[in-house]
Amino acid sequence: GDSVTQMQGQVTLSEDDFLFINCTYSTTWYPTLFWYVQYPGEGPQLLLKVTTANNKGISRGFEATYDKGTTSFHLQKASVQESDSAVYYCVLGDSGYNKLTFGKGTVLLVSP
Amino acid sequence: GGIITQTPKFLIGQEGQKLTLKCQQNFNHDTMYWYRQDSGKGLRLIYYSITENDLQKGDLSEGYDASREKKSSFSLTVTSAQKNEMAVFLCASGDRAHEQYFGPGTRLTVL
Repeated sequence: GDSVTQMQGQVTLSEDDFLFINCTYSTTWYPTLFWYVQYPGEGPQLLLKVTTANNKGISRGFEATYDKGTTSFHLQKASVQESDSAVYYCVLGDSGYNKLTFGKGTVLLVSP
Repeated sequence: GGIITQTPKFLIGQEGQKLTLKCQQNFNHDTMYWYRQDSGKGLRLIYYSITENDLQKGDLSEGYDASREKKSSFSLTVTSAQKNEMAVFLCASGDRAHEQYFGPGTRLTVL
């Protein structure tokens, strides 16, 4: 079945540092991949969506790209802010457009 | 825009008790979902429903029942709460483009 692996459980940065979070995925389908972000006390919300058609997504200063050759998907931001502190989930959409498979999440802590 | 409402926000139960969580959405989405979130484990799908009166099992359905009473509401029942269980249950609704919209969650504690 579909699976997503996020190896980085926690990332700690200072403001204005560069952010890079990576994940790998496994599926038999042409993937639609997402990054969801969850702030304390809230449910996850969509940050970025990337399809095979465009290979890249950009939103709120974040950029996501995926590599079919290595089945990897990463999220980056040039300069993080304290307000970016949250949990970031790598997510894979299924072929039926009904289900999402979530990675275990990466906790981002940004200190001022 | 729309909103997902989950009740209650906090739920405290006793071991063996049957507990029900409720979810309402006003996005007019066809599909609704229940996930369980445990620390360090991400989100795991319990049940989903693609239309009124439909139910589909997710990866974690054992120990739970669900009911889609109408398009806007989806309930989840913990059939027998386990002692020391602590988790957040998240409800979501989604469109056919994969995007899902989540509620704030119900935090369960079993004594």
